[in-house]
Amino acid sequence: KAGVTQTPRYLIKTRGQQVTLSCSPISGHRSVSWYQQTPGQGLQFLFEYFSETQRNKGNFPGRFSGRQFSNSRSEMNVSTLELGDSALYLCASSLGSDQPQHFGDGTRLSIL
Amino acid sequence: EDQVTQSPEALRLQEGESSSLNCSYTVSGLRGLFWYRQDPGKGPEFLFTLYSAGEEKEKERLKATLTKKESFLHITAPKPEDSATYLCAVQATQGAQKLVFGQGTRLTINP
Repeated sequence: KAGVTQTPRYLIKTRGQQVTLSCSPISGHRSVSWYQQTPGQGLQFLFEYFSETQRNKGNFPGRFSGRQFSNSRSEMNVSTLELGDSALYLCASSLGSDQPQHFGDGTRLSIL
Repeated sequence: EDQVTQSPEALRLQEGESSSLNCSYTVSGLRGLFWYRQDPGKGPEFLFTLYSAGEEKEKERLKATLTKKESFLHITAPKPEDSATYLCAVQATQGAQKLVFGQGTRLTINP
């Protein structure tokens, strides 16, 4: 059974640019969540989508946004990139509430 | 605000030397507590879910337990391949799928 797939694996951008990251969940999983992982802050919740609707959002600025498509695939977008946005961005999918989230290997975003 | 604190931050053991990792939490209402393992350059790998105090789960050399305030991950006779960062996370009854993670315990098993 294929796991969660995130593309690209690595990305280098400069300040002020925008970026779009992609996530394909495990087949049959309708919930997709995004997390940011940094050495200082650890794993922090960005947002969650279920059936194309955002159900929850973390404490991140409006520059961070996302969406989910009818096939459950999800994208997140970060606009006007800042140096502090350098991080590992992880996507996780699950069958629903109470069920474990399964993570992809992330996209490593570096801002120069 | 929901919070998770893991201790110790780092732990170095000899192969075969058993120990325990601690996860203390405060949450408005606990829907589930999750343990993950993360290897360098990889995403977290799911290990266990615990839902209520008194519950225990086992998998190979790992055993997770849960009380109303904390969870323990017991590692029995560890091997070098058990070296990884172990993450604990809580999911509240309010908040859909949001997980609140601790900072993790970096475990090193020396042969």
